[in-house]
Amino acid sequence: SQTIHQWPATLVQPVGSPLSLECTVEGTSNPNLYWYRQAAGRGLQLLFYSVGIGQISSEVPQNLSASRPQDRQFILSSKKLLLSDSGFYLCAWSVPAGVADTQYFGPGTRLTVL
Amino acid sequence: DQQVKQNSPSLSVQEGRISILNCDYTNSMFDYFLWYKKYPAEGPTFLISISSIKDKNEDGRFTVFLNKSAKHLSLHIVPSQPGDSAVYFCAAVQGGSEKLVFGKGTKLTVNP
Repeated sequence: SQTIHQWPATLVQPVGSPLSLECTVEGTSNPNLYWYRQAAGRGLQLLFYSVGIGQISSEVPQNLSASRPQDRQFILSSKKLLLSDSGFYLCAWSVPAGVADTQYFGPGTRLTVL
Repeated sequence: DQQVKQNSPSLSVQEGRISILNCDYTNSMFDYFLWYKKYPAEGPTFLISISSIKDKNEDGRFTVFLNKSAKHLSLHIVPSQPGDSAVYFCAAVQGGSEKLVFGKGTKLTVNP
């Protein structure tokens, strides 16, 4: 069966510090991968998605970036965090070109920028 | 412009009664719709989905209804249980797209 992991679970970082959140998927090959952010009182905002290694699509201009160095690894980064980057970050995967297009989410990372 | 709208930010029902969560969409090209359930500090979990070729899909206590002419779908939970208390997200996808479009969610509280 497929599983998705995210770490760390929680993170407190000062403004201006760098960020690296990691997501890995097991039990599937060539998944589509996604990064979402859920900010307080808001829905799920798609940040990035990837359909293959090195292929990243950005949905929202911001100071975050994403990379996919391996097939089942997706990394969310920032060189300098802003207060507004605080939120709950979720990674998700789906079967590529799957009929259902159902996405399956990881447990999330709670980021607090102080 | 929001393409998927959940106009009720919250809903409160009594245990054993029916919960009805609503979702409207504007993009007529959406052809697949999903509902996710999310507990605090956890990732959303897939609940139920429906293709645009259907108007109803049922799974246990959960039923999703789709009214394409009204661009409206709803999730019915019956009977509601306290463990159903969570935020419910409606999502839609357009055929050929790799992206889901989510609503902002509705917080359901089921009171014992």
